[in-house]
Amino acid sequence: DAGVTQSPTHLIKTRGQQVTLRCSPKSGHDTVSWYQQALGQGPQFIFQYYEEEERQRGNFPDRFSGHQFPNYSSELNVNALLLGDSALYLCASSLGLTSNTEAFFGQGTRLTVV
Amino acid sequence: GDSVTQMEGPVTLSEEAFLTINCTYTATGYPSLFWYVQYPGEGLQLLLKATKADDKGSNKGFEATYRKETTSFHLEKGSVQVSDSAVYFCALRGGSGNTGKLIFGQGTTLQVKP
Repeated sequence: DAGVTQSPTHLIKTRGQQVTLRCSPKSGHDTVSWYQQALGQGPQFIFQYYEEEERQRGNFPDRFSGHQFPNYSSELNVNALLLGDSALYLCASSLGLTSNTEAFFGQGTRLTVV
Repeated sequence: GDSVTQMEGPVTLSEEAFLTINCTYTATGYPSLFWYVQYPGEGLQLLLKATKADDKGSNKGFEATYRKETTSFHLEKGSVQVSDSAVYFCALRGGSGNTGKLIFGQGTTLQVKP
């Protein structure tokens, strides 16, 4: 059983460019959340998708957007990249929206903005 | 808003020493509490969880008890191994009526020396 898979694993972009990160949830999961983890920090919640809708959003600007597809996979898009967007981006999947279900994380995408 | 505070690291121990990593939280309602572990270059793995007051989560020799009276969820292990060296994150989910996002502490680095 494949867990959460993310692609690509590493990415280097230039300031001002746009980037798309991809996530396939664990089999049987229908909810995908995205987190940004800066070096030496805990992950920060970006947003959550369920039933192809954004259900909750963290304190991130509109440059960060996402999408969930009918097969539950998801994309994170970041426009007008800033140096400060350099981080590890983590995708987590879970089943439904209840708070006590386990969230499984992917290995992350390391984004470097130069 | 909801928050999690962990003891600062790094924590350096000799093999077979006793481990405690302190975690306290602020939340309204009845959140679920989690400990995640992150090995170098990897995503997060769930270590253990507790979903209600006085629950004890345990896994791989690690344990933590959900203490509502002290709003704490301290991680303990009786005898650490070199392979336990990693970053440990305490997290909550479901406080303040929020069922979606995980709120993480800043992480505590554990270094175990042979």
